[in-house]
Amino acid sequence: AQSVTQLGSHVSVSEGALVLLRCNYSSSVPPYLFWYVQYPNQGLQLLLKYTSAATLVKGINGFEAEFKKSETSFHLTKPSAHMSDAAEYFCAVRVNTGNQFYFGTGTSLTVIP
Amino acid sequence: GAGVSQSPRYKVAKRGQDVALRCDPISGHVSLFWYQQALGQGPEFLTYFQNEAQLDKSGLPSDRFFAERPEGSVSTLKIQRTQQEDSAVYLCASSLDRGGYEQYFGPGTRLTVT
Repeated sequence: AQSVTQLGSHVSVSEGALVLLRCNYSSSVPPYLFWYVQYPNQGLQLLLKYTSAATLVKGINGFEAEFKKSETSFHLTKPSAHMSDAAEYFCAVRVNTGNQFYFGTGTSLTVIP
Repeated sequence: GAGVSQSPRYKVAKRGQDVALRCDPISGHVSLFWYQQALGQGPEFLTYFQNEAQLDKSGLPSDRFFAERPEGSVSTLKIQRTQQEDSAVYLCASSLDRGGYEQYFGPGTRLTVT
């Protein structure tokens, strides 16, 4: 079975501080991994994806994530938080044998000025 | 340059009514996905189309749920005899590629069953 666990449903950081949003997955086969962001009153938007190329993936708005197979993790980071980063973030996994996508329950990021 | 659109944005149905939710994907996108998102949860996969073919419907929760994409563009998700547990936001996403590696999501339809 495949699943995604996002540790911390709410994360608060100060403006300019490091953002770290955690995602662990379970998959019986090598996965494809994604981070999506949902701004208030908007649809989900792809931030970045891992599709078995480089393990360190850079996305939009200064975010990046590192695929660590040994830890079954795909944590999202950004060196310096901006107020505009306040949103809901979802980690998702797709196993390469099908077209089903499994999303985590989301992490709400608050940026404190 | 329109994105994915969904209609209606909000739908209130009485228990037992049938509803139809529409998704207009980005023109030319091959893949189309439907998800159900309950309050405080992440999206849950319902079904997947590649052009007009429904290749995976394993996520549909019951036989009251039916989806179609007859001409490979617009898709409709139909729920028959709605129940309170069907209340959720229904998301549609489309992707240019067959794998859904870069999905563009619509704003969703919020269904409330009373």
